[in-house]
Amino acid sequence: DGGITQSPKYLFRKEGQNVTLSCEQNLNHDAMYWYRQDPGQGLRLIYYSQIVNDFQKGDIAEGYSVSREKKESFPLTVTSAQKNPTAFYLCASSTRDSREAFFGQGTRLTVV
Amino acid sequence: RKEVEQDPGPFNVPEGATVAFNCTYSNSASQSFFWYRQDCRKEPKLLMSVYSSGNEDGRFTAQLNRASQYISLLIRDSKLSDSATYLCVVLRNDYKLSFGAGTTVTVRA
Repeated sequence: DGGITQSPKYLFRKEGQNVTLSCEQNLNHDAMYWYRQDPGQGLRLIYYSQIVNDFQKGDIAEGYSVSREKKESFPLTVTSAQKNPTAFYLCASSTRDSREAFFGQGTRLTVV
Repeated sequence: RKEVEQDPGPFNVPEGATVAFNCTYSNSASQSFFWYRQDCRKEPKLLMSVYSSGNEDGRFTAQLNRASQYISLLIRDSKLSDSATYLCVVLRNDYKLSFGAGTTVTVRA
């Protein structure tokens, strides 16, 4: 089945540790996105990538890093520089004409 | 200023009512527009795209006004299952996909 997969669904980390969230898609989509959602709030764009080996900062990129070495993969690293990392992280992908963005089921990161 | 701003609501309406809400966007380079629906603690899912001429999908009607840079969604004959958060989404010509904070709709029996 085609889709977009995020793993793990729940993740716990100690403060000060870097953590990498996985996002894989087999939809052959060019564009991929990472968003963060806090309780009762909308989605805020962290990073996006239109094509392999290229990505752009979104609205809240500080404390995060990404890579796009393969078309199907867009991992997000939450670094220790991110002051409030506990959140729900959503990955999405879409075609270049972006008629629709498909989302993974999200990763709930809790930093203690 | 946020790129996409929505009326947050909440809108609390009885079954069968009509509810409508708007969204404004700030970047005139925006090229495509969508409404997504998000249920509690789930990922967003596409409700409908929004076209310049306006479009309907069953009980849902979307309108786009490029001159005033706003988008609207109208839900007719509300059902209990329409209770959700509705997200306004704007795609720029550089492929940046931005979401509004969402409008919460609760339909009561």
